[in-house]
Amino acid sequence: DSGVTQTPKHLITATGQRVTLRCSPRSGDLSVYWYQQSLDQGLQFLIQYYNGEERAKGNILERFSAQQFPDLHSELNLSSLELGDSALYFCASSPSGTGGMGYGYTFGSGTRLTVV
Amino acid sequence: TQLLEQSPQFLSIQEGENLTVYCNSSSVFSSLQWYRQEPGEGPVLLVTVVTGGEVKKLKRLTFQFGDARKDSSLHITAAQPGDTGLYLCAGGIKAAGNKLTFGGGTRVLVKP
Repeated sequence: DSGVTQTPKHLITATGQRVTLRCSPRSGDLSVYWYQQSLDQGLQFLIQYYNGEERAKGNILERFSAQQFPDLHSELNLSSLELGDSALYFCASSPSGTGGMGYGYTFGSGTRLTVV
Repeated sequence: TQLLEQSPQFLSIQEGENLTVYCNSSSVFSSLQWYRQEPGEGPVLLVTVVTGGEVKKLKRLTFQFGDARKDSSLHITAAQPGDTGLYLCAGGIKAAGNKLTFGGGTRVLVKP
């Protein structure tokens, strides 16, 4: 158990639908990062929140949005889903807003999203 | 185009053999990390290197950060089936707030 909790573990939904993925960071970590992993794209950075505020944005589609709540858990909302959105979605956390310097990211086990 | 290029993409070896995975970029990184990911799980941090020329050892794994901090390698000695997995390098660039950018990964299969 890494300490980062992601729910649900699996999600199957139809095109056009909306889903919410949830992440609870490791205790004490203030930053949450969302990544998408597909077979042909590797791990793609979507968005980072630090202590409730958006810190950095990556290749996140306009149909996707995220937020971090006062208790530091985060949700990733995916709407108007398309077949190509099928992927593994990972949440990671780190103690600071600058995850690269000395602090590794702690990843959750991911949510496997299948859009049919 | 990946900012971090990993090679090879796939490696299949017999138990007991050695292997090396490479991670290269045209960018200078303030730090570089290696992760291992097993099927159905998230990546797990193996090591962080921050100083050019740094070498770190973790049992049978040896990590090296290039002098110019643009490349890194992971060497596994006497590989075991338990070393099977997806190895990912990830670099942090100070100007980008050290947000980690991941390479495409090297899938390693160690056959018994």
